[in-house]
Amino acid sequence: DTGVSQDPRHKITKRGQNVTFRCDPISEHNRLYWYRQTLGQGPEFLTYFQNEAQLEKSRLLSDRFSAERPKGSFSTLEIQRTEQGDSAMYLCASSLGDRGQSHEQFFGPGTRLTVL
Amino acid sequence: GQQVMQIPQYQHVQEGEDFTTYCNSSTTLSNIQWYKQRPGGHPVFLIQLVKSGEVKKQKRLTFQFGEAKKNSSLHITATQTTDVGTYFCAGRGWEKLTFGTGTRLTIIP
Repeated sequence: DTGVSQDPRHKITKRGQNVTFRCDPISEHNRLYWYRQTLGQGPEFLTYFQNEAQLEKSRLLSDRFSAERPKGSFSTLEIQRTEQGDSAMYLCASSLGDRGQSHEQFFGPGTRLTVL
Repeated sequence: GQQVMQIPQYQHVQEGEDFTTYCNSSTTLSNIQWYKQRPGGHPVFLIQLVKSGEVKKQKRLTFQFGEAKKNSSLHITATQTTDVGTYFCAGRGWEKLTFGTGTRLTIIP
């Protein structure tokens, strides 16, 4: 399968614990996006990378969230000191694109986080 | 910040009826994309509109981008059970996409 993959698919954790999610984009895609989706809502932008550079981060994102894409390939999203409000589906997407261009985004299956 | 709203939130139609969802942005968009998300699935790209007043068709689906590039619509003719899902518009202001609230379509056979 050459699509976007995410791991794990499900994560249950206790409040206060740290969690890390991984996203493997489509290999030739230079852009990688992280979104959060709660029930009945559209995906909410968190951050995106152009190759290894993190170009934008949502102002809604607290300092407990951090994302990396060290070699411009896979990416990790870490949430520190999780709170119950962090429970959501975390979606990763990848695309081609340069500054000023927009291409279709290919989404992964998501990681469903439940914070108890 | 940019806000993208969609109406209606839910739509129940008899199979064979038409369906339309409307998307409105608080700011002018450089382009707009439409995605479909099946229940339990992830968003799947349908189309991108770039030009003011642009209309594109995909079989039974017709997409329009408003003249002012602040609104868009998706119309499905003669719905089928395979059309079930939530349809999202996503507006691009500068670099990031802002997704709308979605319209959930259910089909009554």
